[in-house]
Amino acid sequence: GAGVSQSPSNKVTEKGKDVELRCDPISGHTALYWYRQSLGQGLEFLIYFQGNSAPDKSGLPSDRFSAERTGGSVSTLTIQRTQQEDSAVYLCASSFQVAAAYNEQFFGPGTRLTVL
Amino acid sequence: AQSVTQLDSHVSVSEGTPVLLRCNYSSSYSPSLFWYVQHPNKGLQLLLKYTSAATLVKGINGFEAEFKKSETSFHLTKPSAHMSDAAEYFCVVSDNYGQNFVFGPGTRLSVLP
Repeated sequence: GAGVSQSPSNKVTEKGKDVELRCDPISGHTALYWYRQSLGQGLEFLIYFQGNSAPDKSGLPSDRFSAERTGGSVSTLTIQRTQQEDSAVYLCASSFQVAAAYNEQFFGPGTRLTVL
Repeated sequence: AQSVTQLDSHVSVSEGTPVLLRCNYSSSYSPSLFWYVQHPNKGLQLLLKYTSAATLVKGINGFEAEFKKSETSFHLTKPSAHMSDAAEYFCVVSDNYGQNFVFGPGTRLSVLP
């Protein structure tokens, strides 16, 4: 596609349920990032994938959060046993390659998660 | 380790007057620097980037930023604000390998008629 796509655009769930958020990066982009943006806040880095390398999980806030990237393309962010503090907009970004001139990130529209 | 400071959480200007959004960074190596804009209910859009070429970088919509290593700054400017510039602006620093992007807390720009 022309840009990074994310689904669903909105998700309302009950506390304690599991949710899956999907990201389709720009074709050919090797790097993929997940961020969380809480209301009125900046971006909080969650996890980074580069090609087939093991992901950098240093930003995941708890062990209820996990992510995978299949075939170096689509990524799924899973939140287990959701809590109200998980409510936020989850943003996905991809970039072309790991080099200074090309490492700008292209962002998807985000998934707005609301935990009741 | 890298970090970004955006000195103003909110800036308000009148339409037609200059815009200055301040950003200071800390990095252990030569950084790449970016400004992103986020309009209400819209996705993040790249305004401009610095990647060790020209220190004065021109971006979209008339914005530009100057990299000043001695001051560790990358302030965003525009000569004349337009109503459509009202948005949230994020300064971002990364290493040259694209593995570590650090976002500043953002500056909300309001443009008054």
